[in-house]
Amino acid sequence: DAGVIQSPRHEVTEMGQEVTLRCKPISGHDYLFWYRQTMMRGLELLIYFNNNVPIDDSGMPEDRFSAKMPNASFSTLKIQPSEPRDSAVYFCASSRTGSGANVLTFGAGSRLTVL
Amino acid sequence: GEDVEQSLFLSVREGDSSVINCTYTDSSSTYLYWYKQEPGAGLQLLTYIFSNMDMKQDQRLTVLLNKKDKHLSLRIADTQTGDSAIYFCAEKDSNYQLIWGAGTKLIIKP
Repeated sequence: DAGVIQSPRHEVTEMGQEVTLRCKPISGHDYLFWYRQTMMRGLELLIYFNNNVPIDDSGMPEDRFSAKMPNASFSTLKIQPSEPRDSAVYFCASSRTGSGANVLTFGAGSRLTVL
Repeated sequence: GEDVEQSLFLSVREGDSSVINCTYTDSSSTYLYWYKQEPGAGLQLLTYIFSNMDMKQDQRLTVLLNKKDKHLSLRIADTQTGDSAIYFCAEKDSNYQLIWGAGTKLIIKP
């Protein structure tokens, strides 16, 4: 398995632009998580899905952020409009129900810089 | 709410043992985890321990769990330069979600 695949790996954009981050989870995993990592705030859970359904989006910072999971093999995180304070590394992770320990497999991350 | 705490930095000499500590608050934790993050990469699971265990060993890694004190530690024997990374402690809470520590950056001195 190729693991969790995220794109783009790096994105530099200007304030006000729309940003779309993409994630392909591991096949057979029914949970998908979006995290944000910054020096100041550490690792923050933004939203997670179970069987493509959003379960908890309480970590989404504000309405500028939205996430979708149209099918079991694809999810997007969109920021519109982007702001400099959104600069961070965004991680997608997936896991499988019934694995007891609920081990998360992370993607390599998308580093976003908003100028 | 639940919290997981770890010190931000640990510096050790190559060849020595590293001990990274973590404390948590949720007494109903079922699993506790150690993840490793190398520069420019995502987090990778190192090991985990079920809450009814007090020790788990896997090659150079030893995890100790003290449930009474809600204290978890990760010992890396014979620390190598390749062990340089940030180590995250996490617990699986009563809502089956992971609560993460801030991460401990392990610095290896030659």
